[in-house]
Amino acid sequence: AQSVTQPDIHITVSEGASLELRCNYSYGATPYLFWYVQSPGQGLQLLLKYFSGDTLVQGIKGFEAEFKRSQSSFNLRKPSVHWSDAAEYFCAAQSGGSYIPTFGRGTSLIVHP
Amino acid sequence: ETGVTQTPRHLVMGMTNKKSLKCEQHLGHNAMYWYKQSAKKPLELMFVYNFKEQTENNSVPSRFSPECPNSSHLFLHLHTLQPEDSALYLCASSQGTSGDEQYFGPGTRLTVT
Repeated sequence: AQSVTQPDIHITVSEGASLELRCNYSYGATPYLFWYVQSPGQGLQLLLKYFSGDTLVQGIKGFEAEFKRSQSSFNLRKPSVHWSDAAEYFCAAQSGGSYIPTFGRGTSLIVHP
Repeated sequence: ETGVTQTPRHLVMGMTNKKSLKCEQHLGHNAMYWYKQSAKKPLELMFVYNFKEQTENNSVPSRFSPECPNSSHLFLHLHTLQPEDSALYLCASSQGTSGDEQYFGPGTRLTVT
């Protein structure tokens, strides 16, 4: 069955530190891959997406993600975290031909001053 | 109004009440979605409509009844709910083609008493 796994439920970082959030997928073929962010009391907002080509994808708010086919991973990174980055982060995948995504369980990012 | 809007933002209802949630998208999209987001649980896809036709119903109890009168509006009619139905209900829209990202509304926080 198709699935998306975010192994970390919570991540705590200090402001200014680097960040990496993990995402692994299990699909027969490489799916479309997405990262969304949800601030408290809000809906989800797209940070970035990967379809094909360059495996390093740039997104909004200074985020980037790297697709690694050999590891079935699509990890989200940011070189220096700001307090406003504290939120819930969701990885999602869609198989080719589908417009309905499968979401991971989410990772809650806590930022210490 | 731009993007995806949801009303009301907060709703408290008794178990015997009937209420409706409304979602409107101003993006010209063809697909609309209802999700349930409960604390400590993954995002749950409830219903999907594409070109006003329901394409997904993920075994949702009949006390939830969706309605999609046109591609811009989506309703979720609620009746005889249970306390465990208390959650954030998110509406989303997309173009409805392969690989599209979703655009989310801010959600309706529902409390069933």
